[in-house]
Amino acid sequence: EPEVTQTPSHQVTQMGQEVILRCVPISNHLYFYWYRQILGQKVEFLVSFYNNEISEKSEIFDDQFSVERPDGSNFTLKIRSTKLEDSAMYFCASRNYEQYFGPGTRLTVT
Amino acid sequence: AQTVTQSQPEMSVQEAETVTLSCTYDTSESDYYLFWYKQPPSRQMILVIRQEAYKQQNATENRFSVNFQKAAKSFSLKISDSQLGDAAMYFCAYTSGFGNEKLTFGTGTRLTIIP
Repeated sequence: EPEVTQTPSHQVTQMGQEVILRCVPISNHLYFYWYRQILGQKVEFLVSFYNNEISEKSEIFDDQFSVERPDGSNFTLKIRSTKLEDSAMYFCASRNYEQYFGPGTRLTVT
Repeated sequence: AQTVTQSQPEMSVQEAETVTLSCTYDTSESDYYLFWYKQPPSRQMILVIRQEAYKQQNATENRFSVNFQKAAKSFSLKISDSQLGDAAMYFCAYTSGFGNEKLTFGTGTRLTIIP
């Protein structure tokens, strides 16, 4: 069964550093998403991406964040200058019908 | 804006028994979709069941079923014959349609299975 994959599974970075989180969506899906979940809290929407452009973004998704689909398979989330409060689990999802989630990347900012 | 409310932060059930998790939502739209996702300790988000608002019939997936009350904006999940592997956080989620719409999640219910 096809699945969404994410790398790395855990990323530790220092405050102020740039990080890139990578996702490979399910191959025939057209819509892509990033969500985050701060430990112990609910899952929050960050951004949706369709037809090679952002279709919607939340208030969380400020100028420090960007997304890209550099080739036909990868979908990346970049955080330019990480802050302590960016520490969270980041989930990629893709869909044609219902959303399927990747296993997540745990980002720890120290 | 749409909101999803899960009023039970924690629930527990004896193994093999039945448990119902509650979810209410608020929307002004008539066409939407509701989901239950399971998040085990691994923190992977796993789709359990989905319900289309235009369907009157409640969705069922093996031991999982929903009670969808559109007028009351209620969407509860029933787990029958609870198993140890059902222990997880359960999130109710809403999306407004087949466009590029995001999922809006509730705060989750932590389900414990008592052996």
